[in-house]
Amino acid sequence: DIQMTQSPSSLSASVGDTVIITCRASQSISRALNWYQHKLGKAPKLLIYAASNLQGGAPPRFSGGGSGTDFTLTISSLQPEDSATYYCQQSYSIPTFGQGTKLEIK
Amino acid sequence: EVQLVESGGGLVQPGGSLRLSCAASGFTFSDHYMDWARQAPGKGLEWVGRIRHKATGYTTDYGASVRGRFTLSRDDAKSSVYLQMNSLKTEDTALYYCVRAFSSGDYLDSWGQGTLVTVSS
Repeated sequence: DIQMTQSPSSLSASVGDTVIITCRASQSISRALNWYQHKLGKAPKLLIYAASNLQGGAPPRFSGGGSGTDFTLTISSLQPEDSATYYCQQSYSIPTFGQGTKLEIK
Repeated sequence: EVQLVESGGGLVQPGGSLRLSCAASGFTFSDHYMDWARQAPGKGLEWVGRIRHKATGYTTDYGASVRGRFTLSRDDAKSSVYLQMNSLKTEDTALYYCVRAFSSGDYLDSWGQGTLVTVSS
C-alpha cells in the first residue's frame, strides 16, 4: 500500500494567517491526491481533488498544489471556522489517508 | 441533495459479527462506487473498503487491516450498501462512515454521519 505522510501533525495559527500543510507519498501518485476537512462531530468534507481542483462549495482561500510525491494544502486568510483536522488521501491505488494535521486557530 | 444514512452499529464482543447498512438517496446510486471509512477513538481516518458498480461486476477491495474479515455487498434496487464484519477485534472499535466515491473512485465526495461500532467484552 502507498503510505501518506503529513506534516506537521498539528499547528496553531491566528485569524488572517496563511498556513501550509504538506503531504508526501511513498511513491509517485501523479496528481491523484485529495484533501479533506474534518471537524469534531461532523462528517469529513472534500476540499480539494486531483491535487489542485477546488470542490464546489469550498471557500477559495483553500488551494492545493503538487504532483508526483509532494503535495501542499494552503489555507489563506485563516478564519475561525477553519479549525479542524485536515487529511490528504491518495486515489492512485487502494486509497490511503495521511495521519492528519490538526489546525488550531488562536 | 445527496444523503447517506448509516445504521447497524452497536456493542459486540470480540470474535463476534455485525452488519452495517447504508441507505443512499439524492443521486443515481447504481452509477457510483461506494466506500466505507472509519475513525477509531483518538485516531485518524482509515479507508475500509470499496464496492464498485455493476459494470465492473461489483468488484471489491479492502484495506489490509480488514481483508478476509469484512465483506461488502450492495442492493442497487434499494440504493443500499452493506458491510458485513466478522471476527471483530477490539481495534475495530470506530465510527464507520459510508462514503460515495466519485468518478471511478478518484475522490470521496459525500460522507454519511457515521455509525459507532464498539468491540468489547
